[in-house]
Amino acid sequence: DAKTTQPNSMESNEEEPVHLPCNHSTISGTDYIHWYRQLPSQGPEYVIHGLTSNVNNRMASLAIAEDRKSSTLILHRATLRDAAVYYCILRLIQGAQKLVFGQGTRLTINP
Amino acid sequence: KAGVTQTPRYLIKTRGQQVTLSCSPISGHRSVSWYQQTPGQGLQFLFEYFSETQRNKGNFPGRFSGRQFSNSRSEMNVSTLELGDSALYLCASRTQISGSAYEQYFGPGTRLTVT
Repeated sequence: DAKTTQPNSMESNEEEPVHLPCNHSTISGTDYIHWYRQLPSQGPEYVIHGLTSNVNNRMASLAIAEDRKSSTLILHRATLRDAAVYYCILRLIQGAQKLVFGQGTRLTINP
Repeated sequence: KAGVTQTPRYLIKTRGQQVTLSCSPISGHRSVSWYQQTPGQGLQFLFEYFSETQRNKGNFPGRFSGRQFSNSRSEMNVSTLELGDSALYLCASRTQISGSAYEQYFGPGTRLTVT
């Protein structure tokens, strides 16, 4: 399984944008980039996914580098409820469908 | 639509015992996956079931097993419990087993403590 590298922790202030980076230098052309987050005492929650183009949804935006070796999850206006562990995961388009979670980035939001 | 439900939410067992955990997926979801989460190893994939068949398996010993019923509900069994099996066991469901895009919906987990 291709690996992802994320910072262990990040801190930001409420109502400011947050950029969470992820490196995946061994990504293959058949890997989707997924982001999940896990709030305290809850199961992980799907955030967003993409393949090559940047993606937006109601929760966040995903910016994918042109060479696809890195990506950034963007929370446009962080709230206290966004404090969580964010996981960047690669998933094959075909074949094994399991999600391989790394250690993730623990995001702290200051009021 | 109700989310993924897991029962029980908390469980305390003794070494050597066996345990069965239950997961009810979101209505209409036919795939159920199980994950183990520990502070040391993080989130690790156990197995996935689709239409009552195991489709994918992680690197766990044979003491960990599962099954899926015709209504898509799933159970996970751990026999001969060890202290290291203490963990949060998470169940996740999704609509299909393959395809270009899917979301997994996770339940709140079952917290298993082995003493």
